[in-house]
Amino acid sequence: KAGVTQTPRYLIKTRGQQVTLSCSPISGHRSVSWYQQTPGQGLQFLFEYFSETQRNKGNFPGRFSGRQFSNSRSEMNVSTLELGDSALYLCASEDGGTKTQYFGPGTRLLVL
Amino acid sequence: KNQVEQSPQSLIILEGKNCTLQCNYTVSPFSNLRWYKQDTGRGPVSLTIMTFSENTKSNGRYTATLDADTKQSSLHITASQLSDSASYICVVSAINSGYALNFGKGTSLLVTP
Repeated sequence: KAGVTQTPRYLIKTRGQQVTLSCSPISGHRSVSWYQQTPGQGLQFLFEYFSETQRNKGNFPGRFSGRQFSNSRSEMNVSTLELGDSALYLCASEDGGTKTQYFGPGTRLLVL
Repeated sequence: KNQVEQSPQSLIILEGKNCTLQCNYTVSPFSNLRWYKQDTGRGPVSLTIMTFSENTKSNGRYTATLDADTKQSSLHITASQLSDSASYICVVSAINSGYALNFGKGTSLLVTP
């Protein structure tokens, strides 16, 4: 099976812009989670989707949103970008049987 | 507040030696504890997942232990290899929190020849 894929891999934006990141889970996985990773804060949970519904949400402002489509692909949107949003954004899909999460390679976002 | 503390922050060992990484948590009520390995510039890879009833789980040269009473876990790496150089992250989730996971800051391991 193909692994979790994320696009784009790298992105440069300026403050105030918005960005949409995409994640394609492993075939058959229905749960997709998003995480932000920065050197200072480490990995932080953003939200989790299961069967097109947001099941859990972390402590991030409303500028961070997401959605999941019927084919389990997921998108994450960040509006009104701030310098502090520069980070590696990771998505992971879960094997419902073993509960193992498989991470994608991430999208590295730089906000100037 | 749910917290996960890892130690040491960084570690350097010689190839072939063993090492142990620590994870202490205050997450409650406890659901499961995961160890991940993250190579530089790549996404984390799951090593082990342990629930309340499990106190040891192995994955090749990696062995994780869990003491749910003291809320401590360790990851032991046997006969280290250069490819073990990575960041090791401990993640703890609480019951009914779904994937509102609590992450440690990680231990950066460097294995030298």
